[in-house]
Amino acid sequence: QLQLQESGPGLVKPSETLSLTCTVSGDSISSSRYFWVWIRQPPGKGLEWIGSIFYSGSTYYNPSLRSRVTISVDTSKNQFSLKLSSVTAADTAVYYCARRVAATTATLSYWFDPWGQGTLVTVSS
Amino acid sequence: SYELTQPPSVSVSPGQTASITCSGDKLGHKYACWYQQKPGQSPVLVIYEDSKRPSGIPERFSGSNSGNTATLTISGTQAMDEADYYCQAWDSSIVVFGGGTKLTVL
Repeated sequence: QLQLQESGPGLVKPSETLSLTCTVSGDSISSSRYFWVWIRQPPGKGLEWIGSIFYSGSTYYNPSLRSRVTISVDTSKNQFSLKLSSVTAADTAVYYCARRVAATTATLSYWFDPWGQGTLVTVSS
Repeated sequence: SYELTQPPSVSVSPGQTASITCSGDKLGHKYACWYQQKPGQSPVLVIYEDSKRPSGIPERFSGSNSGNTATLTISGTQAMDEADYYCQAWDSSIVVFGGGTKLTVL
């Protein structure tokens, strides 16, 4: 059974870089069927997609965060990572990693399943 | 940028049918999916590709998508269905989530 687990510091200072890692177990991150994604949720608010990565390193980013986001993959460790630079209090959120699944019989049909348990990152001095 | 609009809250009595809508420009031309999120938990996929249920999701969950509106329907709503629900679609390789709907079963 596929599982994803986020890890990283729970507290980051303003203007610094947030770094998180997602460890995938139960399947290979190098599968050609899937992308791997980061999604965040500020306390009491909705979901926001951050970006996606393929095992080859191809990435897609949310245009609103693109200038500050880097997502990378380490296939040898079955992990992918998120870096978000110049953070402010507005970046305080629960950060989730998830697998993006594509439909096999329909085009442009994608969904996220499963999700990791999430990790709260607070930006504060 | 593309937007998906959901009602902030929906209330339903136990055993009745709950309908949660998600509106977006020509949403029916895209595929929509739905996630359920209970307090303190990660989101769980309940509907994908407009109307398909993942393994393990009860049959009382169903979905449709036409015109500008996708709808999540929960038939015979149970207390355990009380949660936040989010719709999601894709637009030009960008992921878009709706703002979420809090379903209250009372």
